[in-house]
Amino acid sequence: EAQVTQNPRYLITVTGKKLTVTCSQNMNHEYMSWYRQDPGLGLRQIYYSMNVEVTDKGDVPEGYKVSRKEKRNFPLILESPSPNQTSLYFCASSAPGQGVVEQFFGPGTRLTVL
Amino acid sequence: GDSVTQMEGPVTLSEEAFLTINCTYTATGYPSLFWYVQYPGEGLQLLLKATKADDKGSNKGFEATYRKETTSFHLEKGSVQVSDSAVYFCALRATGTASKLTFGTGTRLQVTL
Repeated sequence: EAQVTQNPRYLITVTGKKLTVTCSQNMNHEYMSWYRQDPGLGLRQIYYSMNVEVTDKGDVPEGYKVSRKEKRNFPLILESPSPNQTSLYFCASSAPGQGVVEQFFGPGTRLTVL
Repeated sequence: GDSVTQMEGPVTLSEEAFLTINCTYTATGYPSLFWYVQYPGEGLQLLLKATKADDKGSNKGFEATYRKETTSFHLEKGSVQVSDSAVYFCALRATGTASKLTFGTGTRLQVTL
């Protein structure tokens, strides 16, 4: 089954404790992206990657890091989480191309930073 | 910059009622337009899309027409069901951008019996 998986689905942590949210896709997609979803703000892009070893900032990259060492994986790293990073996070992937390309989303990771 | 504006929710309807969720956008060129749906506890799923002016996207009884003159992409359904209760997101992909989606804030739909 074609899918994007994220782990963990739920995480409660404390300020300053480094964490990683994993994302993996089995569709051989080149493009991957991280979004955060906040009430009243919709989804905002954090980082994206066009291919292995190619990453770039989205609209709200502060406080986050990513890496793309393998095509299928795109982990999101919070080196020193803060309460304002409490949010619902989504990973997405798509094949390259213009126009009609569909992005496939993971189930989401709900992060609470105390 | 690019932006998407959706009507505020929540929208509460009785089953079999007609649904309209308004969406307007600001973007240069000719963006592609999408509606995504998010059911409770799940990720986003593509509902429908349109890539050029006057295109009509449709799926599962939902429709939206790409209106360049009014920069709109309103979502409609003739008869909603309880199972349509979800959050609906309008989104655009601007011309020349590498797959980045710009989302609206989402509109929660609650359908009651």
